[in-house]
Amino acid sequence: ETGVTQSPTHLIKTRGQQVTLRCSSQSGHNTVSWYQQALGQGPQFIFQYYREEENGRGNFPPRFSGLQFPNYSSELNVNALELDDSALYLCASSYPGTPGDFGEGSWLTVV
Amino acid sequence: AQSVTQLDSQVPVFEEAPVELRCNYSSSVSVYLFWYVQYPNQGLQLLLKYLSGSTLVKGINGFEAEFNKSQTSFHLRKPSVHISDTAEYFCAVIPPVGTGGGNKLTFGTGTQLKVEL
Repeated sequence: ETGVTQSPTHLIKTRGQQVTLRCSSQSGHNTVSWYQQALGQGPQFIFQYYREEENGRGNFPPRFSGLQFPNYSSELNVNALELDDSALYLCASSYPGTPGDFGEGSWLTVV
Repeated sequence: AQSVTQLDSQVPVFEEAPVELRCNYSSSVSVYLFWYVQYPNQGLQLLLKYLSGSTLVKGINGFEAEFNKSQTSFHLRKPSVHISDTAEYFCAVIPPVGTGGGNKLTFGTGTQLKVEL
């Protein structure tokens, strides 16, 4: 195990709702990155937080937002959920410029 | 920007046979290279990485990979596979800090390795 914990592990939401996913970073790591992995695809970078500031963003709309807290844990928020948001959401905690360690992911199903 | 191509979406192989999973990348800057394994319904586990130095890198579970700069490849190999190696394998790249290439992992689409008896 990597020491990176994600919650919840599984959840089902209805289209149009909002969801918050959480990630605890590994001790000593000050950077958290979030990835979306759709079924049958490789993970796609959503954004990264470094010392509570967004530090890079992939090609995702603004309804995907995040936070990083002083203890370096992080949240991913998705508003106005769409069916295509159904995916495994992975977070990785690291030092800047390194890939870090991944959590087990949060499975989101939008119905 | 970087891109990663995994040429084979599925690779069936018999147990105890050798296997090679292919990965090619494209980048305007130098990159670090990684292979990850994902077992069903689980997250990503790092198999091995190339940062610098010897182009042949050894990882966990008997896997190894060779970095070939001229061919921009980083193929994963194992001389004898086991049933338990059945999983999805992802090749990924990240540019080093300060190279201006961004700070994210770019993944390939994955190769499903299916080991059969």
